Amino acid sequence: GENVGLHLPTLSVQEGDNSIINCAYSNSASDYFIWYKQESGKGPQFIIDIRSNMDKRQGQRVTVLLNKTVKHLSLQIAATQPGDSAVYFCAEARQGAQKLVFGQGTRLTINP
Amino acid sequence: DTAVSQTPKYLVTQMGNDKSIKCEQNLGHDTMYWYKQDSKKFLKIMFSYNNKELIINETVPNRFSPKSPDKAHLNLHINSLELGDSAVYFCASSQVGGTGGWTEAFFGQGTRLTVV
Repeated sequence: GENVGLHLPTLSVQEGDNSIINCAYSNSASDYFIWYKQESGKGPQFIIDIRSNMDKRQGQRVTVLLNKTVKHLSLQIAATQPGDSAVYFCAEARQGAQKLVFGQGTRLTINP
Repeated sequence: DTAVSQTPKYLVTQMGNDKSIKCEQNLGHDTMYWYKQDSKKFLKIMFSYNNKELIINETVPNRFSPKSPDKAHLNLHINSLELGDSAVYFCASSQVGGTGGWTEAFFGQGTRLTVV
């Protein structure tokens, strides 16, 4: 069945360090992947997405890597800042499916 | 301008009551969703609507009845509320399909429902 999961439920990093959040998925038919950030009391907010015809995509301070061979997705955040503290979700979808399937979520904490 | 807005933000009610949550999007999207987020932060799809038509019902109890009067609105009515219904409910919208395929879904700020 469909399953999008995360290796680590919590991640604590020093301010200024880089963060890597990982995600595993099991549906080989998935062709669209997306990362969301959810701050306390707010809805999930789009960070970056990637389609299955790519293996890397960069945004402002963020990079998403997709490894379809091992069904693995990661989000890299460069030079983490206090404002990066949040819960991060990966989600996947496939062409024709009318839903995003979310992973468990990883809480990222930034230490000063 | 708020892209996806849902009301109310907080809802506290007693078991057995009936309540509604409203959602509106001004993005012109064809597809709208309801997601439920439990105490462990897990987000699970409940319903998906495309152009006012129900597409997905993820084995949600029939006490939950979504209604889409037009493609910009997707309301959620819940009958006979139970303690286990306590959660945060998120409305979302996206533009799905076409040659571009999926694009990101935009989420509302959530409705925290507490059943006592």
